[in-house]
Amino acid sequence: GQNIDQPTEMTATEGAIVQINCTYQTSGFNGLFWYQQHAGEAPTFLSYNVLDGLEEKGRFSSFLSRSKGYSYLLLKELQMKDSASYLCAGMDSNYQLIWGAGTKLIIKP
Amino acid sequence: IAGITQAPTSQILAAGRRMTLRCTQDMRHNAMYWYRQDLGLGLRLIHYSNTAGTTGKGEVPDGYSVSRANTDDFPLTLASAVPSQTSVYFCASSEAAGGNQPQHFGDGTRLSIL
Repeated sequence: GQNIDQPTEMTATEGAIVQINCTYQTSGFNGLFWYQQHAGEAPTFLSYNVLDGLEEKGRFSSFLSRSKGYSYLLLKELQMKDSASYLCAGMDSNYQLIWGAGTKLIIKP
Repeated sequence: IAGITQAPTSQILAAGRRMTLRCTQDMRHNAMYWYRQDLGLGLRLIHYSNTAGTTGKGEVPDGYSVSRANTDDFPLTLASAVPSQTSVYFCASSEAAGGNQPQHFGDGTRLSIL
């Protein structure tokens, strides 16, 4: 079966660094996406990885290990506005996204 | 402003009624998608369309139908609503189906079936 696992909730402090992990099992693999979703709003695209390694985009970085079926999203210099849910999604062989339930990130001052 | 527009924003509906959720995009994206989002679950794909004139079934298609008469519009119809269809519905689009094409989401429709 296809499955995406990520922690339900994490708490971090403003200014700190947090790593949100995701493990995936998909039928075939065509990449791993991360989205941010603020409460009551639409998901917005953060990053895409299809090759092993780290992709950096400002304060956000995403890592992929295809052999381990593992990805993480790294958020640096946390700001209060980073309080949101972070959704991990794997793209299967039919180019459909399989979504995790999301990790709710709580930032404390 | 370019993007995806969904209507209505929210709706309360009696069970057994027919309902169409509207979705329009002005980005000339080929692929469009309908998801439902329920507490504690990931987004689940209901139906998709890789290009105008074609549609396909996603993970949870039962009780829903779609059409794709043109590039811009992708309505979702509940033929006879049931309480288990209470959810937040998101329409999304991408330039093409697959690869590194991110999906862009509308603001969602919050639907309650009583």
